[in-house]
Amino acid sequence: NAGVTQTPKFRILKIGQSMTLQCAQDMNHNYMYWYRQDPGMGLKLIYYSVGAGITDKGEVPNGYNVSRSTTEDFPLRLELAAPSQTSVYFCASSYAGDLRYGYTFGSGTRLTVV
Amino acid sequence: DAKTTQPNSMESNEEEPVHLPCNHSTISGTDYIHWYRQLPSQGPEYVIHGLTSNVNNRMASLAIAEDRKSSTLILHRATLRDAAVYYCILGNSGNTGKLIFGQGTTLQVKP
Repeated sequence: NAGVTQTPKFRILKIGQSMTLQCAQDMNHNYMYWYRQDPGMGLKLIYYSVGAGITDKGEVPNGYNVSRSTTEDFPLRLELAAPSQTSVYFCASSYAGDLRYGYTFGSGTRLTVV
Repeated sequence: DAKTTQPNSMESNEEEPVHLPCNHSTISGTDYIHWYRQLPSQGPEYVIHGLTSNVNNRMASLAIAEDRKSSTLILHRATLRDAAVYYCILGNSGNTGKLIFGQGTTLQVKP
Protein backbone atom coordinates (compact mmCIF):
# COMPACT_ATOMS: atom_id res chain seq x y z
CA ASN A 1 0.00 0.00 0.00
CA ALA A 2 1.25 3.46 -0.89
CA GLY A 3 -0.83 5.14 1.86
CA VAL A 4 -1.14 8.90 1.29
CA THR A 5 0.82 10.24 -1.68
CA GLN A 6 1.52 13.94 -2.12
CA THR A 7 2.93 15.60 -5.21
CA PRO A 8 5.05 17.56 -5.81
CA LYS A 9 7.49 17.31 -2.90
CA PHE A 10 8.93 20.78 -3.52
CA ARG A 11 7.75 23.80 -5.48
CA ILE A 12 8.76 27.42 -5.89
CA LEU A 13 6.02 29.80 -7.05
CA LYS A 14 6.11 33.44 -7.98
CA ILE A 15 3.64 35.81 -6.36
CA GLY A 16 0.31 35.66 -8.17
CA GLN A 17 0.87 32.27 -9.76
CA SER A 18 -1.51 29.37 -9.25
CA MET A 19 -0.93 25.71 -8.56
CA THR A 20 -2.60 22.55 -7.37
CA LEU A 21 -1.16 20.34 -4.67
CA GLN A 22 -2.13 16.75 -5.29
CA CYS A 23 -3.11 14.23 -2.63
CA ALA A 24 -4.15 10.64 -3.24
CA GLN A 25 -4.84 7.76 -0.86
CA ASP A 26 -5.37 4.09 -1.64
CA MET A 27 -6.84 2.97 1.69
CA ASN A 28 -10.49 3.65 0.82
CA HIS A 29 -10.64 6.30 3.53
CA ASN A 30 -13.66 8.55 3.46
CA TYR A 31 -12.15 11.40 5.47
CA MET A 32 -9.36 13.56 4.09
CA TYR A 33 -7.66 16.70 5.40
CA TRP A 34 -5.24 19.41 4.36
CA TYR A 35 -2.92 21.02 6.90
CA ARG A 36 -0.18 23.61 6.64
CA GLN A 37 2.80 23.92 8.92
CA ASP A 38 4.81 27.11 9.14
CA PRO A 39 8.42 26.91 10.39
CA GLY A 40 8.63 25.99 14.08
CA MET A 41 4.86 25.84 14.45
CA GLY A 42 2.19 23.21 14.80
CA LEU A 43 -0.17 22.15 12.03
CA LYS A 44 -3.17 24.24 11.03
CA LEU A 45 -6.21 22.70 9.35
CA ILE A 46 -7.03 24.30 5.99
CA TYR A 47 -9.89 22.21 4.58
CA TYR A 48 -11.35 18.78 5.12
CA SER A 49 -13.70 16.39 3.41
CA VAL A 50 -15.94 13.70 4.87
CA GLY A 51 -16.61 12.02 1.54
CA ALA A 52 -16.73 12.52 -2.20
CA GLY A 53 -18.56 15.74 -3.05
CA ILE A 54 -18.43 17.12 0.51
CA THR A 55 -15.86 19.65 1.72
CA ASP A 56 -15.69 22.16 4.54
CA LYS A 57 -13.42 24.87 5.87
CA GLY A 58 -10.92 24.38 8.64
CA GLU A 59 -9.02 26.94 10.71
CA VAL A 60 -7.19 28.77 7.90
CA PRO A 61 -9.07 28.37 4.57
CA ASN A 62 -8.48 31.82 3.05
CA GLY A 63 -6.51 31.72 -0.20
CA TYR A 64 -7.24 28.06 -0.87
CA ASN A 65 -9.85 25.92 -2.59
CA VAL A 66 -10.50 22.20 -2.61
CA SER A 67 -12.59 19.66 -4.44
CA ARG A 68 -13.35 16.00 -3.81
CA SER A 69 -14.70 14.31 -6.90
CA THR A 70 -13.48 10.82 -5.93
CA THR A 71 -12.81 8.99 -2.68
CA GLU A 72 -9.14 8.68 -3.56
CA ASP A 73 -8.17 12.25 -4.47
CA PHE A 74 -8.31 15.55 -2.57
CA PRO A 75 -6.43 18.32 -4.43
CA LEU A 76 -5.68 21.71 -2.85
CA ARG A 77 -5.72 24.73 -5.14
CA LEU A 78 -3.84 28.00 -4.61
CA GLU A 79 -5.25 30.60 -6.99
CA LEU A 80 -3.07 33.68 -6.36
CA ALA A 81 0.03 32.69 -4.47
CA ALA A 82 1.23 35.05 -1.74
CA PRO A 83 4.43 34.95 0.36
CA SER A 84 2.27 34.18 3.43
CA GLN A 85 1.47 30.82 1.83
CA THR A 86 5.08 29.72 2.06
CA SER A 87 4.75 26.62 4.20
CA VAL A 88 4.85 22.84 4.28
CA TYR A 89 1.53 21.30 3.32
CA PHE A 90 0.41 17.93 4.63
CA CYS A 91 -2.48 15.83 3.45
CA ALA A 92 -4.00 13.21 5.74
CA SER A 93 -6.76 10.63 5.62
CA SER A 94 -8.79 8.62 8.09
CA TYR A 95 -11.17 5.70 7.83
CA ALA A 96 -13.94 7.39 9.81
CA GLY A 97 -14.68 10.63 11.57
CA ASP A 98 -15.42 9.35 15.02
CA LEU A 99 -11.74 9.30 15.94
CA ARG A 100 -11.57 5.65 16.88
CA TYR A 101 -9.11 5.47 14.02
CA GLY A 102 -5.82 7.25 13.50
CA TYR A 103 -4.84 9.55 10.69
CA THR A 104 -2.34 8.63 7.99
CA PHE A 105 -0.27 11.57 6.79
CA GLY A 106 1.57 12.12 3.56
CA SER A 107 5.21 13.20 3.46
CA GLY A 108 4.35 16.80 2.64
CA THR A 109 4.83 19.42 -0.07
CA ARG A 110 7.29 22.21 0.69
CA LEU A 111 6.07 25.39 -1.04
CA THR A 112 8.00 28.63 -1.33
CA VAL A 113 6.36 31.76 -2.76
CA VAL A 114 8.79 34.45 -3.91
CA ASP B 1 -12.55 22.60 20.50
CA ALA B 2 -11.10 21.53 23.81
CA LYS B 3 -7.47 22.51 24.26
CA THR B 4 -4.44 20.69 25.57
CA THR B 5 -1.40 21.96 27.45
CA GLN B 6 2.01 20.35 27.02
CA PRO B 7 5.52 21.38 28.08
CA ASN B 8 7.43 23.01 25.23
CA SER B 9 10.40 20.67 25.53
CA MET B 10 11.75 17.70 27.45
CA GLU B 11 15.02 15.82 27.56
CA SER B 12 15.67 12.16 28.10
CA ASN B 13 18.61 9.81 28.13
CA GLU B 14 18.77 6.96 25.69
CA GLU B 15 17.32 3.66 26.92
CA GLU B 16 15.49 5.32 29.81
CA PRO B 17 11.70 5.66 30.07
CA VAL B 18 10.09 8.94 29.08
CA HIS B 19 6.84 10.32 30.46
CA LEU B 20 5.29 13.04 28.34
CA PRO B 21 2.46 14.86 30.16
CA CYS B 22 -0.63 16.49 28.73
CA ASN B 23 -3.33 18.47 30.51
CA HIS B 24 -6.83 18.70 29.05
CA SER B 25 -9.06 20.01 31.81
CA THR B 26 -11.94 20.94 29.45
CA ILE B 27 -12.19 17.52 27.82
CA SER B 28 -15.71 16.38 27.02
CA GLY B 29 -17.06 12.92 27.64
CA THR B 30 -16.84 11.89 23.98
CA ASP B 31 -13.38 13.29 23.22
CA TYR B 32 -10.68 10.76 22.43
CA ILE B 33 -7.12 11.56 23.46
CA HIS B 34 -4.75 11.16 20.54
CA TRP B 35 -0.97 11.28 20.41
CA TYR B 36 1.00 11.90 17.25
CA ARG B 37 4.67 12.52 16.73
CA GLN B 38 6.57 14.31 14.01
CA LEU B 39 10.12 13.32 13.22
CA PRO B 40 12.33 16.00 11.63
CA SER B 41 11.31 16.79 8.05
CA GLN B 42 8.50 14.23 8.06
CA GLY B 43 4.73 14.24 8.34
CA PRO B 44 3.07 13.44 11.67
CA GLU B 45 2.83 9.81 12.64
CA TYR B 46 0.08 8.22 14.71
CA VAL B 47 1.32 6.92 18.06
CA ILE B 48 -1.65 5.93 20.22
CA HIS B 49 -5.09 7.00 21.33
CA GLY B 50 -7.58 6.22 24.07
CA LEU B 51 -10.87 7.22 25.63
CA THR B 52 -10.94 6.20 29.28
CA SER B 53 -8.76 3.18 29.92
CA ASN B 54 -5.00 2.95 29.70
CA VAL B 55 -3.79 1.71 26.33
CA ASN B 56 -0.67 -0.10 25.16
CA ASN B 57 0.72 -0.74 21.70
CA ARG B 58 4.08 -1.57 20.20
CA MET B 59 5.18 2.06 20.20
CA ALA B 60 4.05 3.37 23.57
CA SER B 61 1.60 3.33 26.46
CA LEU B 62 -1.05 5.89 27.26
CA ALA B 63 -2.02 6.47 30.87
CA ILE B 64 -5.26 8.40 31.33
CA ALA B 65 -6.18 9.98 34.66
CA GLU B 66 -9.36 8.78 36.27
CA ASP B 67 -11.02 12.19 35.80
CA ARG B 68 -9.65 12.32 32.22
CA LYS B 69 -8.28 15.82 32.75
CA SER B 70 -4.75 14.71 32.06
CA SER B 71 -2.85 11.94 30.34
CA THR B 72 0.72 10.72 29.96
CA LEU B 73 2.42 9.19 26.97
CA ILE B 74 5.02 6.67 28.08
CA LEU B 75 7.93 5.59 25.92
CA HIS B 76 9.37 2.62 27.77
CA ARG B 77 12.93 2.83 26.45
CA ALA B 78 13.79 5.96 24.53
CA THR B 79 16.02 5.66 21.49
CA LEU B 80 17.66 8.38 19.43
CA ARG B 81 14.99 7.75 16.79
CA ASP B 82 12.32 8.85 19.27
CA ALA B 83 13.57 12.45 19.14
CA ALA B 84 10.56 14.28 17.71
CA VAL B 85 7.75 16.70 18.44
CA TYR B 86 4.95 14.93 20.29
CA TYR B 87 1.43 16.25 19.96
CA CYS B 88 -1.39 15.53 22.39
CA ILE B 89 -4.71 16.17 20.67
CA LEU B 90 -8.33 15.88 21.66
CA GLY B 91 -10.70 14.59 19.05
CA ASN B 92 -13.58 16.62 17.75
CA SER B 93 -16.77 15.70 19.50
CA GLY B 94 -18.72 15.72 16.25
CA ASN B 95 -18.42 13.27 13.41
CA THR B 96 -15.98 15.15 11.18
CA GLY B 97 -12.88 13.67 12.75
CA LYS B 98 -10.95 16.92 12.83
CA LEU B 99 -7.75 16.93 14.83
CA ILE B 100 -6.60 20.37 15.93
CA PHE B 101 -2.86 20.42 16.62
CA GLY B 102 -1.21 22.49 19.33
CA GLN B 103 2.50 23.30 19.68
CA GLY B 104 3.48 19.92 21.05
CA THR B 105 6.49 18.86 23.14
CA THR B 106 9.91 18.67 21.54
CA LEU B 107 11.66 15.60 22.94
CA GLN B 108 15.44 15.48 22.86
CA VAL B 109 17.11 12.13 23.49
CA LYS B 110 20.71 12.20 24.62
CA PRO B 111 23.04 9.26 23.99
